[in-house]
Amino acid sequence: GAVVSQHPSRVICKSGTSVKIECRSLDFQATTMFWYRQFPKQSLMLMATSNEGSKATYEQGVEKDKFLINHASLTLSTLTVTSAHPEDSSFYICSARGDGSITEAFFGQGTRLTVV
Amino acid sequence: AQSVTQLGSHVSVSEGALVLLRCNYSSSVPPYLFWYVQYPNQGLQLLLKYTSAATLVKGINGFEAEFKKSVTSFHLTKPSAHMSDAAEYFCAVRTGNNNDMRFGAGTRLTVKP
Repeated sequence: GAVVSQHPSRVICKSGTSVKIECRSLDFQATTMFWYRQFPKQSLMLMATSNEGSKATYEQGVEKDKFLINHASLTLSTLTVTSAHPEDSSFYICSARGDGSITEAFFGQGTRLTVV
Repeated sequence: AQSVTQLGSHVSVSEGALVLLRCNYSSSVPPYLFWYVQYPNQGLQLLLKYTSAATLVKGINGFEAEFKKSVTSFHLTKPSAHMSDAAEYFCAVRTGNNNDMRFGAGTRLTVKP
């Protein structure tokens, strides 16, 4: 299957700072990317969907000013957690889908964010 | 709206025993259904998917799942559990034009020696 690389895998930051997470499709063009958040021992919750060159569509309850998503190219999307607080600590996972892949999206390895 | 429900948050089997993880879906249109496995602090790996072709789908690592429209189920099975199968398993359904996925709550599989 196609490869999606997410970086960093782990990050620790201080409260009030911002953190950027990158999601790259390595061997295909990702027209659509998805960002998920996963709390311990829970399922994945979709945060937003982004199409290359367009503004992201956020799920209800997700603050778009806090979780900035940029999908400027067909191989890269970024999620920036602004003014991070301890309650933002979580596991964030991206997935990407290309035009030719009708049925599935491919997932990154996830990023463990800890805000102290 | 489309959704999936995974019955049982935790399943424990002995090594060599049958694995059965349950998933029921709700959908107003023919769904695409998926099973993923997640190991600690890692992303999701696709085990198998149903895309309206054969109802019995074979996946990686000896797993398979059967799509049963009459009872809206897509249960995951493996004839003989291996210690390396211990992980979290998610059932998912594709929904909407943007192809985003909706996940079940997950089932943690424990394999006892």
